Amino acid sequence: KAGVTQTPRYLIKTRGQQVTLSCSPISGHRSVSWYQQTPGQGLQFLFEYFSETQRNKGNFPGRFSGRQFSNSRSEMNVSTLELGDSALYLCASSLAGTSGETQYFGPGTRLLVL
Amino acid sequence: SQKIEQNSEALNIQEGKTATLTCNYTNYSPAYLQWYRQDPGRGPVFLLLIRENEKEKRKERLKVTFDTTLKQSLFHITASQPADSATYLCALLTSNDYKLSFGAGTTVTVRA
Repeated sequence: KAGVTQTPRYLIKTRGQQVTLSCSPISGHRSVSWYQQTPGQGLQFLFEYFSETQRNKGNFPGRFSGRQFSNSRSEMNVSTLELGDSALYLCASSLAGTSGETQYFGPGTRLLVL
Repeated sequence: SQKIEQNSEALNIQEGKTATLTCNYTNYSPAYLQWYRQDPGRGPVFLLLIRENEKEKRKERLKVTFDTTLKQSLFHITASQPADSATYLCALLTSNDYKLSFGAGTTVTVRA
């Protein structure tokens, strides 16, 4: 079974631009969560989608948004990029996202904002 | 405020020894605690999950303990090997939501 895939793997943008990242979960998984990882803040939860609905969100500004499609694929968008948005963005999938369920992470998209 | 602290940023040990990592938390009531391994440039990989009503879990050379009174989990790698060199993250999951809260991680280096 193929793992979680994320595209693109690397991205360079400039301040003020917007970016869209994509995540394809493991086949059959309906829950997709997004995380931001930086050296200073570590891994921080952005949001979680299940059946095309955002079910939970972390403490990030509204510039960070996401969506999930009927095939469970998910995208996240960051508008008006800031230098501090440079990070590794990880998505993770699980069957139903219930507590205690194993989450499987993708390799991440490394975003550099100049 | 809620906080998850892992004992040290880096741990260097000799091959064959046991590595012990600590995860302490405050102002959480976790239903589950998980440990992940992360290699450079890759996403975290799930290792073990322990529930609040469990004291200990084992998987091959890995052992996790969970003390909800001390608000602490210990993660042991026995008979360590150079291939165990990686960053290890603890993560808490409360019972009412679906988001993981992670510690900053401890980087383990096993010397041959």
